[in-house]
Amino acid sequence: QVQLQESGPGLVKPSETLSLTCTVSGGSVSSGSYYWSWIRQPPGKGLEWIGYIYYSGSTNYNPSLKSRVTISVDTSKNQFSLKLSSVTAADTAVYYCARWWPAGAGFDYWGQGTLVTVSS
Amino acid sequence: QSALTQPRSVSGSPGQSVTISCTGTSSDVGGYNYVSWYQQHPGKAPKLMIYDVSKRPSGVPDRFSGSKSGNTASLTISGLQAEDEADYYCCSYAGSYTLVVFGGGTKLTVL
Repeated sequence: QVQLQESGPGLVKPSETLSLTCTVSGGSVSSGSYYWSWIRQPPGKGLEWIGYIYYSGSTNYNPSLKSRVTISVDTSKNQFSLKLSSVTAADTAVYYCARWWPAGAGFDYWGQGTLVTVSS
Repeated sequence: QSALTQPRSVSGSPGQSVTISCTGTSSDVGGYNYVSWYQQHPGKAPKLMIYDVSKRPSGVPDRFSGSKSGNTASLTISGLQAEDEADYYCCSYAGSYTLVVFGGGTKLTVL
């Protein structure tokens, strides 16, 4: 059973960089069959796709966030990470890591989510 | 504003059927047979319920079904049960540049 677990600070100051890591167990980020994604959900609002990374390191980001987002992968630790720079209160959200399954065109496994609050 | 349009809320009584719509454009819903649906209970992560417009992952009851016509996809839940009360989100592939777009979510209330 594939499991994903987000980790990182729950509080980030405005203008600083949000950093989160997703640890994958029961599966491998080196699998060529999946893309590893970040998705966020502001309190009381809907879901927003942030971006994905392939095991090779190729990435794709939501155009609305592209200038501030970096996603990287560490195959040796079976982890992938998110960095979002110059954060504001609008970036306060529950951040989920998830596995994108291209063959089924869906996010088939999700982490439990972690709330990140942007506040001074 | 979300890329895909869903009704804010729907409701139904136990045993009844409800349908949730998801309207996009020819660049997403209408352009690909890659619509997925997610169920989210309060405080929990979303769960994949439907993929490829109408396919169910293993373990999802056959009370859940999906369809698509033109730029609108639909999720139908038949034989409503109390545990179906949750938020539902549609999601569509939108090309290799954008990847996916989500709907704004629909709150299902089981009366």
